[in-house]
Amino acid sequence: NAGVMQNPRHLVRRRGQEARLRCSPMKGHSHVYWYRQLPEEGLKFMVYLQKENIIDESGMPKERFSAEFPKEGPSILRIQQVVRGDSAAYFCASSTSRELNYGYTFGSGTRLTVV
Amino acid sequence: QQQVKQSPQSLIVQKGGISIINCAYENTAFDYFPWYQQFPGKGPALLIAIRPDVSEKKEGRFTISFNKSAKQFSLHIMDSQPGDSATYFCAALVGGGADGLTFGKGTHLIIQP
Repeated sequence: NAGVMQNPRHLVRRRGQEARLRCSPMKGHSHVYWYRQLPEEGLKFMVYLQKENIIDESGMPKERFSAEFPKEGPSILRIQQVVRGDSAAYFCASSTSRELNYGYTFGSGTRLTVV
Repeated sequence: QQQVKQSPQSLIVQKGGISIINCAYENTAFDYFPWYQQFPGKGPALLIAIRPDVSEKKEGRFTISFNKSAKQFSLHIMDSQPGDSATYFCAALVGGGADGLTFGKGTHLIIQP
């Protein structure tokens, strides 16, 4: 049973380009969370999604960032018109249900570098 | 506003010693307090967690001590080993979890052989 799969592992984008980060949750998991980790910082919650629904996006920047978790396929975190300040590691986590989200599993992350 | 304060930022412990990392929180609505271990290039992995109805939880060499009145909790690593060298994060979660985990800034732990 594969864990949470994130790709790509590393992504380099020029300022102004779009970045798409993918997260395939563990088998049977229908709840996905995205976090951002800046250098020397803890992880910061961005968004919580269930299949086809955004449950809580209170940690997501209001502009340029969006997330989706379609009925089929991975969850996508999309960053439009990237800026240098978007450079960070982005982690997703998945769980089987909201009540069991206490012990959710993180992927290995995507490290985004904006040049 | 940082809701979970973690200290120290870095820690060096001799092999076989006890590593202690402390966290303090502000939000009394938190009801779940996990610790995560992160190795370079990897995602955080759940190490051990506690709820506020108990004051201590032990799993192998790892122990969480929880002081609800002081709003503090700590991780103790007994008989620390070089393989324990990693970054450790404390975190807290409000019941229901929709807001996601609130993390401390992390502690870089180095265990010297």
